[in-house]
Order: sequence, then structure tokens, then C-alpha cells
Amino acid sequence: DTAVSQTPKYLVTQMGNDKSIKCEQNLGHDTMYWYKQDSKKFLKIMFSYNNKELIINETVPNRFSPKSPDKAHLNLHINSLELGDSAVYFCASSQASLSLYGYTFGSGTRLTVV
Amino acid sequence: TQLLEQSPQFLSIQEGENLTVYCNSSSVFSSLQWYRQEPGEGPVLLVTVVTGGEVKKLKRLTFQFGDARKDSSLHITAAQPGDTGLYLCAYNNNDMRFGAGTRLTVKP
Repeated sequence: DTAVSQTPKYLVTQMGNDKSIKCEQNLGHDTMYWYKQDSKKFLKIMFSYNNKELIINETVPNRFSPKSPDKAHLNLHINSLELGDSAVYFCASSQASLSLYGYTFGSGTRLTVV
Repeated sequence: TQLLEQSPQFLSIQEGENLTVYCNSSSVFSSLQWYRQEPGEGPVLLVTVVTGGEVKKLKRLTFQFGDARKDSSLHITAAQPGDTGLYLCAYNNNDMRFGAGTRLTVKP
């Protein structure tokens, strides 16, 4: 069983389009996250959700909006895509935000904006 | 501002060699974590170090947390091609913050 699954694995789209990436975790974790990994492999936190409440929002453009229908899902919606949005996006989850047990990551969604 | 500096940035070695990668900071941490990320996958937790001076072993991997809890190292003995990947150290600040990583390539 996949612990954190995200879809799609690859996404190629044109500038200006709106797209969504879905994430689901079956670990019973109470906090979920979205990270962006750029071409230099640097992982940067974008959002985290705890019990349907946004608890962290880094300096991310408001074109990006996380949506959590329930504790097991945290989807990422992106409006008006730009070339600079091209990256690999990772969903993750943890039992608590300060968990010493670490985060469990999905396998990533490679977004290419053309 | 990145609190964690990882070195080297890239490392390419032959199978069977030993290596050490470093994670340094001027800040004190309650704990540090190491992750390995293989191509096309997300990072996977390897270890959490909590106590200053702590040494943890995971098969051929040895992790050490500095006495002052400002730095950590990862030593791999007799590296194998399966060790190839991006090694990331991270600290928790209400969410996990990562260093830039060391990209390790182990050639057969």
C-alpha cells in the first residue's frame, strides 16, 4: 500500500492554464504538506495543513491554493501557470508538525510549464 | 536564509570506497534528520539524531550529531551503487526545513 500518493506523476501544460495536483495519505497522519523542489534539488516548504487548518504559508504566490477536503487529502491548485512554476512538487505527511518520526513523502509530481 | 550548509555538494566515487558528508550550521538544534532521495522519488527518512555526540548506525551508514548540536555527519563504509542518491539533512521548525543536499554517485 502506498502511504502518500500523488497524482499525476507528470504534468505538462501551457502558460496561463489552471491545474491541480492531488495528494492522499493512508497513514492516519494529522498534518500534510506541500514542498517545491527546484532544478537545483532544493526542497522548500510551501504549505502545511493540520486538521483542515492552514498553519504555515510561506511566501508563495496566491496563484497557489491548497485545498483539503478531509484529513487524508491535501490537493494543490495552481492558477495562471507561469514558466517559473516548473518544478517537482512533493506532498508529505506527519503525525505532528514537530514529529521526530519524520515526514513521509509522495513520489512527486513533475510540472512542466511550456 | 538557509540554516543548514551541506558539503560537498557533489560526490562521485567508486564502489567500495568510504565517504563522509557534512551538515553544518551556526544554530543549535534539538534534533536533526537525514533523508535519502533517489531519482524520481521523494525523500525517505534515514535517521533522527537528538542527543549531542550521539552516534547511530544503520548498516553501513554511521550518523553523528555534534556535541554542540550544531552539525551532523554521515559516513558510508564500502559504498555501493545502491547508495546513489541525494542526501538531505533537515531540522524541524514547525515544518521540516532542508539543506541543499549532497548528490552522491557510486560507480560500479
